[in-house]
Amino acid sequence: QKEVEQNSGPLSVPEGAIASLNCTYSDRGSQSFFWYRQYSGKSPELIMFIYSNGDKEDGRFTAQLNKASQYVSLLIRDSQPSDSATYLCAVSLSAGTASKLTFGTGTRLQVTL
Amino acid sequence: GAVVSQHPSWVICKSGTSVKIECRSLDFQATTMFWYRQFPKQSLMLMATSNEGSKATYEQGVEKDKFLINHASLTLSTLTVTSAHPEDSSFYICTNGLAGADEQFFGPGTRLTVL
Repeated sequence: QKEVEQNSGPLSVPEGAIASLNCTYSDRGSQSFFWYRQYSGKSPELIMFIYSNGDKEDGRFTAQLNKASQYVSLLIRDSQPSDSATYLCAVSLSAGTASKLTFGTGTRLQVTL
Repeated sequence: GAVVSQHPSWVICKSGTSVKIECRSLDFQATTMFWYRQFPKQSLMLMATSNEGSKATYEQGVEKDKFLINHASLTLSTLTVTSAHPEDSSFYICTNGLAGADEQFFGPGTRLTVL
């Protein structure tokens, strides 16, 4: 069983729509949850992270965490073609200090004109 | 956010040679540095964790004698791939962290191709 699972996609959404990206994790001890965006051939860049159950909003992005269901999601509102990338979910067993991240394999998002 | 650089950004080498990759924190002192690698179409996998002045802690399945990590200062860590082989061809990424902070700052990555 993979530790962090994501649908590989591609997920195709029209420009201006909401993109919903999902991630499940296996370790109930996970404390911190991260979403990264990775363009082809580039290093990942952090979008946002979340610790607590519920929603966390940052601009067009909303992360949602449900620890009981071991599920974390990322919503992208008003999707733009520049949002087309692979989105990586990562989890950490620690909170409050930089520690090992376990990554999912990523979901490729395509925003169409 | 903090800036992390890696050098070189890409390297092509012959099988059997050694390659050194540098990771630098340009505007902060990183207490912990992590080295990841990413094979094509796969996700990032942690190779090792290093703290300044200490020996690196390697993940299971990563050969410490093949992937030498030196964390000589709070701003510099190096990864040396010794006797590289084609199966070592990958995208190597370092990340730096600060004590008391969750966020890790990613370097731009080094693409290694071993012929």
